[in-house]
Amino acid sequence: DQQVKQNSPSLSVQEGRISILNCDYTNSMFDYFLWYKKYPAEGPTFLISISSIKDKNEDGRFTVFLNKSAKHLSLHIVPSQPGDSAVYFCAASPSNSGYALNFGKGTSLLVTP
Amino acid sequence: DAGVTQSPTHLIKTRGQQVTLRCSPKSGHDTVSWYQQALGQGPQFIFQYYEEEERQRGNFPDRFSGHQFPNYSSELNVNALLLGDSALYLCASSVFGEQFFGPGTRLTVL
Repeated sequence: DQQVKQNSPSLSVQEGRISILNCDYTNSMFDYFLWYKKYPAEGPTFLISISSIKDKNEDGRFTVFLNKSAKHLSLHIVPSQPGDSAVYFCAASPSNSGYALNFGKGTSLLVTP
Repeated sequence: DAGVTQSPTHLIKTRGQQVTLRCSPKSGHDTVSWYQQALGQGPQFIFQYYEEEERQRGNFPDRFSGHQFPNYSSELNVNALLLGDSALYLCASSVFGEQFFGPGTRLTVL
């Protein structure tokens, strides 16, 4: 049973525009949410996280928004750059104590020049 | 500072065989988690080791077992390999919070 869902397998955006990647979750026990980026032949790299006590977290060009009532989060990348082209995974955990991460299937982002 | 390292990079086995994958955590990290990533899927949690004990386990059969050594490095063992075990096996280390992933071991079962 997939508890974290990324319903868009792929997304194509022009360089300089905003990329919005979406994620939904079903488990109300999830308290901590993360986004990872993955290039081919590399392991996932941590991008940004958010705790359920917040609804927004920013880090440079990356912002994550959390809507707990809708069990929905999104990652905004502004402005998008060609180097952002990768697979993005949404992950969730019951706490931020390093316990098991539940991942979505990923969204492949392509940023075109 | 070396990040998380895994060996081997690639591995080919046949059905019924046994395999051992290895992971060295990032310096200062004492917790190691293992994930299986099948083609087109997100990583799935197998188990986590802390202080040489299995602390958490995902929904994987007993054919999957592990070990953590006093230096915090870890092994993942899979017995009686099935075709469906073909996947990228990822190791992640942490001390608290964020997990850092290695490049993975690509296992192919023929």
